[in-house]
Amino acid sequence: KQEVTQIPAALSVPEGENLVLNCSFTDSAIYNLQWFRQDPGKGLTSLLLIQSSQREQTSGRLNASLDKSSGRSTLYIAASQPGDSATYLCAVMGNQFYFGTGTSLTVIP
Amino acid sequence: EAGVAQSPRYKIIEKRQSVAFWCNPISGHATLYWYQQILGQGPKLLIQFQNNGVVDDSQLPKDRFSAERLKGVDSTLKIQPAKLEDSAVYLCASSLGAGEAIAGELFFGEGSRLTVL
Repeated sequence: KQEVTQIPAALSVPEGENLVLNCSFTDSAIYNLQWFRQDPGKGLTSLLLIQSSQREQTSGRLNASLDKSSGRSTLYIAASQPGDSATYLCAVMGNQFYFGTGTSLTVIP
Repeated sequence: EAGVAQSPRYKIIEKRQSVAFWCNPISGHATLYWYQQILGQGPKLLIQFQNNGVVDDSQLPKDRFSAERLKGVDSTLKIQPAKLEDSAVYLCASSLGAGEAIAGELFFGEGSRLTVL
């Protein structure tokens, strides 16, 4: 069974810092990987989708990479802002979506 | 484009009572998912529909949970009778399809927060 791990569980950084969130998965037979953001009391908002044939995707200050062979993905956030404070989850898609437990990010003004 | 709609947003009930949640997916999305998210955890799949057929309900506690998607569009998730441990956020999501790279992007609704007292 696919297992998805996100490290660290929580991260606190000063505003303006660049940061990396990590996601690892045990089964490399995936169709795609998706990064989400979740604000307290809200649903999940899709940030980036990387198909299995791709190595990375970029949207604004966000860049996500995928290395299927090593079972890893990273989400890079450039020039962090207080509004980036949220929980970030990754999900891999095989025959269903498997989620990590998320990284809770706090950006300190 | 309208997103995934869910209602109610919040519900408080006593244990052993029943509750129902409704979801309307993005227009044209064939695959609909119900997830349970307990505080501090990632979403856990309860049931996955492809059109109006069930693809996966292996983690649905069938003695108390039921779900239907009668016309292949909107869906209802019911809990009867509720237990204290059912307190969670119930998330509905949809995608164009499943098991395919292009069709697999997942979109979520705002969720329905259930508190069982």
